[in-house]
Amino acid sequence: EAQVTQNPRYLITVTGKKLTVTCSQNMNHEYMSWYRQDPGLGLRQIYYSMNVEVTDKGDVPEGYKVSRKEKRNFPLILESPSPNQTSLYFCASSSYATGYEQYFGPGTRLTVT
Amino acid sequence: GQQLNQSPQSMFIQEGEDVSMNCTSSSIFNTWLWYKQDPGEGPVLLIALYKAGELTSNGRLTAQFGITRKDSFLNISASIPSDVGIYFCAGSNDYKLSFGAGTTVTVRA
Repeated sequence: EAQVTQNPRYLITVTGKKLTVTCSQNMNHEYMSWYRQDPGLGLRQIYYSMNVEVTDKGDVPEGYKVSRKEKRNFPLILESPSPNQTSLYFCASSSYATGYEQYFGPGTRLTVT
Repeated sequence: GQQLNQSPQSMFIQEGEDVSMNCTSSSIFNTWLWYKQDPGEGPVLLIALYKAGELTSNGRLTAQFGITRKDSFLNISASIPSDVGIYFCAGSNDYKLSFGAGTTVTVRA
């Protein structure tokens, strides 16, 4: 089954404790992206990657890092999480062949205390 | 990122009603997309529009790409209970998507 998977689905952590949220897709998509979703704000893009070793900032990149060492994986790293990063995070992927039709993972709900 | 204004913010539907929502932008987009999000899940693509003036249907859903390329609307005909959820519009000029804040659709008691 074609899908985007994220782990963990839920995470509660404390301020300053480094964490990584993994994202993997099995559709051989070139493009991958991370979003955060906050009430009343819709989805805002954090980082995106056009292909392996190619990443770029989205609209809200501060406090986040990403890497794209393999085509299927695009982890999101919070080196020193803060409470304002409490949010619902989504990973998405798409293929150049299907244009801009991005497919989303199930989401990771992160709480930073 | 570019700001998309989506309205209404929320709406109540009664089974069988037709409903509509729209999205406007101060910027031009080459692509408009409509997504639906069910509770606890990621957004799912409903309709993608690639050409100004394009009218596209997907079952009971119909969406149009505005002729100015700055707006789009989504209609749901003969609504059913499973239509509840949050609907998002998104515009794109490359692989970067800008989303509206969403329209929450709830069943009227």
